[in-house]
Amino acid sequence: GAGVSQSPSNKVTEKGKDVELRCDPISGHTALYWYRQRLGQGLEFLIYFQGNSAPDKSGLPSDRFSAERTGESVSTLTIQRTQQEDSAVYLCASSSGLAGPNEQFFGPGTRLTVL
Amino acid sequence: AQSVTQPDIHITVSEGASLELRCNYSYGATPYLFWYVQSPGQGLQLLLKYFSGDTLVQGIKGFEAEFKRSQSSFNLRKPSVHWSDAAEYFCAVGPRVGNNRKLIWGLGTSLAVNP
Repeated sequence: GAGVSQSPSNKVTEKGKDVELRCDPISGHTALYWYRQRLGQGLEFLIYFQGNSAPDKSGLPSDRFSAERTGESVSTLTIQRTQQEDSAVYLCASSSGLAGPNEQFFGPGTRLTVL
Repeated sequence: AQSVTQPDIHITVSEGASLELRCNYSYGATPYLFWYVQSPGQGLQLLLKYFSGDTLVQGIKGFEAEFKRSQSSFNLRKPSVHWSDAAEYFCAVGPRVGNNRKLIWGLGTSLAVNP
């Protein structure tokens, strides 16, 4: 079946512009995660959606970052007034949620470059 | 505090040599345990996972890992490394219960393979 998809695959923007990144999770997965991975670094947790519960936003680095999810489908991560330090690969993952092991399935990522 | 430690930031081995990547965790109860691999230019892929039962688990690409409760460790091993194993390896742990199934990630170990 289809895996996690993300768009765009690459995004180049100018400092100060807003960007929107999209994630389509695996159908039926109730949990969705956003991560940031800077060059040569590990995964930095940003936000976690679980069904209709309030999202865990504890990883968002500033109020310039926000994310939404419509039901148990598509999610968008928005970065306002982008800064050069926002340059990174943004990874989305989904999992089957609360029932059983919470193995995460990852998308290919969106590479964001802020000039 | 909950944490995952991968003590080795970078490891270099010769092709055909054995490999062990270390992972230690600090967690309130025995978590689910995962190893993921990120090959250059590739997305994150699950190598193996431990949920219960036999503490030695087999994964893809000839990898195995052993869960040692007394040492809070989940070390990854491979008897004979191939050049294609050069990648970044991440250990992660997650809760078995509760409404927040967010994983805790290690910072990763970068593996280089000499011909």
